[in-house]
Amino acid sequence: NAGVTQTPKFRVLKTGQSMTLLCAQDMNHEYMYWYRQDPGMGLRLIHYSVGEGTTAKGEVPDGYNVSRLKKQNFLLGLESAAPSQTSVYFCASRGSGRENEFFGPGTRLTVL
Amino acid sequence: QQQVKQSPQSLIVQKGGISIINCAYENTAFDYFPWYQQFPGKGPALLIAIRPDVSEKKEGRFTISFNKSAKQFSLHIMDSQPGDSATYFCAASKGTGANNLFFGTGTRLTVIP
Repeated sequence: NAGVTQTPKFRVLKTGQSMTLLCAQDMNHEYMYWYRQDPGMGLRLIHYSVGEGTTAKGEVPDGYNVSRLKKQNFLLGLESAAPSQTSVYFCASRGSGRENEFFGPGTRLTVL
Repeated sequence: QQQVKQSPQSLIVQKGGISIINCAYENTAFDYFPWYQQFPGKGPALLIAIRPDVSEKKEGRFTISFNKSAKQFSLHIMDSQPGDSATYFCAASKGTGANNLFFGTGTRLTVIP
């Protein structure tokens, strides 16, 4: 039981490049989330999903796209990376009950 | 704007002392108030949570105090230990929709031996 895993752990991009972050959970959770964490700003919700095949925008969705083709995976895409997207990205999944939310270890992304 | 306001930004406490972190909110639709603990290089982990039907919840050395009329809640860490040194986030969510969490800006706690 690995919980929530994120791939990759670190990445450096140049402005304009694209990439996809992968989140996987093995807890059969319906809800999955992508957050970004920036110094002094806490965690802010980018996009979320309430089930396979569904996605919705969070607080800061601009510049990101997501897909949830399989229940266990939630992908976050950056089509054209910008320096403002330099951040630490966390994925989380949640089962029934709001106390049942677990975070992944994070992906540190730097955009030059 | 920040839906949950957290203070202080950083806190230094002697070992054995009490650490207190405060949060305030405006949205009266919030009905779930968790605290998360995050160690460097790790993801946040749920520490303790409270709902507005109680004014206090205690788990070991960690206590949440909740003041519904003032729309404030706080985390108290009794007998603080160096192993408690971490960043703490308060959060809040509503009981409707996807129950998305709104986080405070975090408090970096350092417990000095």
